[in-house]
Amino acid sequence: GDSVTQMEGPVTLSEEAFLTINCTYTATGYPSLFWYVQYPGEGLQLLLKATKADDKGSNKGFEATYRKETTSFHLEKGSVQVSDSAVYFCALVYSGGSNYKLTFGKGTLLTVNP
Amino acid sequence: DTAVSQTPKYLVTQMGNDKSIKCEQNLGHDTMYWYKQDSKKFLKIMFSYNNKELIINETVPNRFSPKSPDKAHLNLHINSLELGDSAVYFCASSQDLAYGQPQHFGDGTRLSIL
Repeated sequence: GDSVTQMEGPVTLSEEAFLTINCTYTATGYPSLFWYVQYPGEGLQLLLKATKADDKGSNKGFEATYRKETTSFHLEKGSVQVSDSAVYFCALVYSGGSNYKLTFGKGTLLTVNP
Repeated sequence: DTAVSQTPKYLVTQMGNDKSIKCEQNLGHDTMYWYKQDSKKFLKIMFSYNNKELIINETVPNRFSPKSPDKAHLNLHINSLELGDSAVYFCASSQDLAYGQPQHFGDGTRLSIL
């Protein structure tokens, strides 16, 4: 079945450091890929998405590129801020047949120190 | 205006009780979901409804029963609560089942079983 593997956390960085959170997937066909962010005590918010190969999703300085050849969707940000501290989830959905499920990775906790 | 709202935010109750969690979305979406997030932040889909019709029913004990009185509401009723039901339950919605539609999440209901 479909699955998402993202790097284990926690990740701790200093402010203005470069961030990469790796995400790879296994899916039948061509899924849509998402990054969601969960701030403490809140629900998940969509951060960015990509629906086809080579698409780049971007938002709030975060970017991720849909790489079909490596089945990856790594999240990057050039300069993190304390306010970026949250749990980040990579996810996919494959609307094939009756499968409309959003499948999540296990989440990566990011802590950014001043 | 809150897009996806869940009540209550916190629910503390005894083992064996029956409880309900309500969810409403004012986005005009056709599709709604329930997810369970465990203590390690792992998210798993439980149910999905499209236009009040059940389309996803994962391997969930039949003590859990969703009800969708209309497109804007998806409630979750849980009978005979067990210790293992302690988790955060998230409601979400999406425009429809079209490819690549993102899901919008509520802030969650933290259920604690004593």
